[in-house]
Amino acid sequence: GAGVSQSPSNKVTEKGKDVELRCDPISGHTALYWYRQSLGQGLEFLIYFQGNSAPDKSGLPSDRFSAERTGGSVSTLTIQRTQQEDSAVYLCASSSRGPPPYEQYFGPGTRLTVT
Amino acid sequence: RKEVEQDPGPFNVPEGATVAFNCTYSNSASQSFFWYRQDCRKEPKLLMSVYSSGNEDGRFTAQLNRASQYISLLIRDSKLSDSATYLCVVILNTNAGKSTFGDGTTLTVKP
Repeated sequence: GAGVSQSPSNKVTEKGKDVELRCDPISGHTALYWYRQSLGQGLEFLIYFQGNSAPDKSGLPSDRFSAERTGGSVSTLTIQRTQQEDSAVYLCASSSRGPPPYEQYFGPGTRLTVT
Repeated sequence: RKEVEQDPGPFNVPEGATVAFNCTYSNSASQSFFWYRQDCRKEPKLLMSVYSSGNEDGRFTAQLNRASQYISLLIRDSKLSDSATYLCVVILNTNAGKSTFGDGTTLTVKP
């Protein structure tokens, strides 16, 4: 079946502009994650959605970052007033509700470059 | 101290060698553990889950040691195609999701 898809695959934007990144999870997966990976670094957790529960936003680095998930499926990560340090690959993953062990499946990522 | 720690390497080994990676975690309540593989400029891909009883898949063996709070990955008879970064992941099931990745261990297998 179809895997996790993300769009756009690449995004170049000017400092100060807003960007929206989209994630389509695997059909039927109730959990959705956003991560950020800077060049040569590990994955940084940003936000987690589980069904209709309130999202875990504990990883969002600043109030310029927000995310929503409509209808328990597609998710959008929005970065307002982008800064050069926001340049990274943004990865989305989804997993089923359970039972454990909650394997996550990743999309190909969106490579964001802020000039 | 990081919640999940890995030796970043790099590990440079010849073809056919056996190589082992460890990953330590700080929260003793953690319940789910995985190894992922990430190739350069690609997304992480699930390699295998890790259980206390051990998990073997071909040349790969994963093990969990709860008492010492670490997980391991053993690769036998390594191939050139095993060259990648290996990430460990720890999940607190009570949150049913919040997951912490290690920074990864880089493996290069040479002819």
